[in-house]
Amino acid sequence: KAGVTQTPRYLIKTRGQQVTLSCSPISGHRSVSWYQQTPGQGLQFLFEYFSETQRNKGNFPGRFSGRQFSNSRSEMNVSTLELGDSALYLCASSLDPGESSNQPQHFGDGTRLSIL
Amino acid sequence: AQTVTQSQPEMSVQEAETVTLSCTYDTSESDYYLFWYKQPPSRQMILVIRQEAYKQQNATENRFSVNFQKAAKSFSLKISDSQLGDAAMYFCAYRRWEDTDKLIFGTGTRLQVFP
Repeated sequence: KAGVTQTPRYLIKTRGQQVTLSCSPISGHRSVSWYQQTPGQGLQFLFEYFSETQRNKGNFPGRFSGRQFSNSRSEMNVSTLELGDSALYLCASSLDPGESSNQPQHFGDGTRLSIL
Repeated sequence: AQTVTQSQPEMSVQEAETVTLSCTYDTSESDYYLFWYKQPPSRQMILVIRQEAYKQQNATENRFSVNFQKAAKSFSLKISDSQLGDAAMYFCAYRRWEDTDKLIFGTGTRLQVFP
């Protein structure tokens, strides 16, 4: 069974540009979450999607957005890039995030975004 | 708001020895989940072990076990018979019972394993 796939693996952008990152969950998984990992702030939750709906959102500015498609694949977009957006962006998927679910999340290898 | 604290930025252990990584958390909830994730240089976060707060019994997974002290809000990870492949960043994480997939992570502990 293929794991969580994130593309691209590396990305270099300049300030002011926008970027779209992609995440394909494990087959059958319906929930996708995104995290930002930086040396200064550590791992921070961005948002979570289930059945094409955003279920939860972290404390990030509106420049960060996402969506989920009917096949559960998800994309996140960052507009007007800033130097501080340089980070490893991790995607995770789980089977069914129903209430009281103890289904663990499976993470992808991440996309390393560098802003010049 | 919930917080997770890992007070040991770095730890080291000799191969075949035992090491314990510390984690404390703060929450007003009574039901929640706790996790330990491992992140090797390959970057992928790998679930090591998880604990449901309502379970009194400490979780174990082969060489990995936890010491869950709910009243003290402590969740330490013990690695027995350490192996070179255990070298990685270890993150403690908290998840509310009803928050589905939103994990709150600690700052991590870098574990070095010496032969």
